[in-house]
Amino acid sequence: AQRVTQPEKLLSVFKGAPVELKCNYSYSGSPELFWYVQYSRQRLQLLLRHISRESIKGFTADLNKGETSFHLKKPFAQEEDSAMYYCALRNPAAGNKLTFGGGTRVLVKP
Amino acid sequence: ETGVTQTPRHLVMGMTNKKSLKCEQHLGHNAMYWYKQSAKKPLELMFVYNFKEQTENNSVPSRFSPECPNSSHLFLHLHTLQPEDSALYLCASSQLIPGNEAFFGQGTRLTVV
Repeated sequence: AQRVTQPEKLLSVFKGAPVELKCNYSYSGSPELFWYVQYSRQRLQLLLRHISRESIKGFTADLNKGETSFHLKKPFAQEEDSAMYYCALRNPAAGNKLTFGGGTRVLVKP
Repeated sequence: ETGVTQTPRHLVMGMTNKKSLKCEQHLGHNAMYWYKQSAKKPLELMFVYNFKEQTENNSVPSRFSPECPNSSHLFLHLHTLQPEDSALYLCASSQLIPGNEAFFGQGTRLTVV
């Protein structure tokens, strides 16, 4: 069974400080991993995907298959980064089942 | 309207009512999803449709009945719901290409009284 775990429900950091959101997954195949973000009063939207190895809004995430992790990092948090962040795993071998972690609320204080 | 559109945005229904939630996308996607988002609980996958065929039913009670008449529309038919079914119901769609993300609707806020 596929499962996504985000151990931190809330991360509170000061502006300019680094922030790291943890994500661990359990899945036996080759995973497709994503980070989604939900800003206040907005719909859930994609932040980045592991397949692109991209940096979006200063965020990066590296897939570590050995540790089955896909942690999200940003070296200098900004106030506009305050939002709810969800790690997600898609399983193409099981009807494209897209499973989300419990989410981490990030609060960036001035 | 582009993107994923859900109607209604808010719905209040009694436990004996029958209602339906609607989701529409004109993005050319061929996979559609229903999720339930409750307060203080993770986003729960309910159903997945690929090319109009249901490929996932995540142990959802039969009082929730999905319907996918074509790849652009997805419905969730509701009957004899319980107060604990009150939640935000989210629809999403995606293209079945590796790495393609899901696009979400704004959700329907359902309250069962």
